[in-house]
Amino acid sequence: DIVMTQSPDSLAVSLGARATISCKSSQSVLYSSNNRNYLAWYQQKPGQPPKLLIYWASTRESGVPDRFSGSGSGTDFTLTISSLQAEDVAVYYCQQYYSTPPAFGPGTKVDIK
Amino acid sequence: QVQLVESGGGVVQPGRSLRLSCAVFGFAFSSYGMHWVRQAPGKGLEWVAVIAYDGSNKNYIDSVKGRFSISRDNSKNTLYLQMNSLRVEDTAVYYCAKVHQLWSGLGAFDIWGQGTMVTVSS
Repeated sequence: DIVMTQSPDSLAVSLGARATISCKSSQSVLYSSNNRNYLAWYQQKPGQPPKLLIYWASTRESGVPDRFSGSGSGTDFTLTISSLQAEDVAVYYCQQYYSTPPAFGPGTKVDIK
Repeated sequence: QVQLVESGGGVVQPGRSLRLSCAVFGFAFSSYGMHWVRQAPGKGLEWVAVIAYDGSNKNYIDSVKGRFSISRDNSKNTLYLQMNSLRVEDTAVYYCAKVHQLWSGLGAFDIWGQGTMVTVSS
């Protein structure tokens, strides 16, 4: 099974500043035949279900603000919030969907400094 | 409007059974793989089970194999999770989720239900 890790566990960022979250997979999630990374990012606010932000490691879901971006390949990935807004306070999860079980990372809590 | 609506959660004693349902609205249910994901109180997300768009293939996390069964009725646009021999550690909010890619069992989860709470306690 592929194991996902995230760092940091939590971070506090000033409004308008950049937030960066790291995600690592225990095996590569890059599928060589189509050159796609099977990696997604989700945002979860308290009392709400997760919301898909990014898939294929860097493709933004429709309606997601462009301050959210994903990067990386193979086993190392990053979610960047370029200018943190108050509504971005949430827990962020990465997930691999390269193989079953489609594991989630443990989550990173983002707060306002 | 694309929507997933879970039901069937509740409080149940260890060893008993519960059946969750996920009613689907606003998209071609029979064309997408579907998943169940759970979240214990104050914890992270844990994938539980997947079923292919036509029900031909199913898979489970090891901790529920032999106890849980995922199924779907494409004529009723409904996904199910039959949970038997429930344990205290199965206590969680259970979400159903849709895969973003047509015909695929694996994929990013682009639509989620609001979740239904299952509490296993004596």
